[in-house]
Amino acid sequence: EAAVTQSPRNKVAVTGGKVTLSCNQTNNHNNMYWYRQDTGHGLRLIHYSYGAGSTEKGDIPDGYKASRPSQENFSLILELATPSQTSVYFCASGVRDRGDQAPLFGEGTRLSVL
Amino acid sequence: GNSVTQMQGQVTLSEEEFLFINCTYSTTGYPTLFWYVQYPGEGPQLLLKVTTANNKGSSRGFEATYDKGTTSFHLQKASVQESDSAVYYCVLGETNTNKVVFGTGTRLQVLP
Repeated sequence: EAAVTQSPRNKVAVTGGKVTLSCNQTNNHNNMYWYRQDTGHGLRLIHYSYGAGSTEKGDIPDGYKASRPSQENFSLILELATPSQTSVYFCASGVRDRGDQAPLFGEGTRLSVL
Repeated sequence: GNSVTQMQGQVTLSEEEFLFINCTYSTTGYPTLFWYVQYPGEGPQLLLKVTTANNKGSSRGFEATYDKGTTSFHLQKASVQESDSAVYYCVLGETNTNKVVFGTGTRLQVLP
């Protein structure tokens, strides 16, 4: 069964600390995405990837890095976390060059930066 | 670039009432339009897909249609249930691209 799994599901971090959010997909999709979800903004794209070794900036990349070490795994890295990065983060996977195919989403990671 | 506008932030209905949510979009290509639903504590999941070829989609009692002339698409359901309470997103995709664009979401609350 197609799946996108995120870890951790909840995270509390301190300002200035490093945070890594992980995502694993078993869908054999080339594309993977990181979004954040905030009230009034819907889902906004942070970074995405076309495949292992590639990362691309999305619409709001500032303060975030991404890493795609393999087809299955995609990480979002906050080197110096700030309270403004408190949000719910979603990972998704999709078919490359097929924006007409709906991406599959994980369950989300709730991050609080204190 | 592509964009989606979803004006209704919150909709409150009683059970068995009619639901209508509208979105407008802007694109220079050939769009595919999705509706996603998100329940509390879960990720967004696909509810419906509408392509320029078929103009309509349906699932679980929901129907979606799009109007190329007004570049709008909407979601409707004849009789909502309390279990339909969720956030609904209109989403724009496009063949040969790698990004989909989300609207800001409509929170539907159905009162018993």
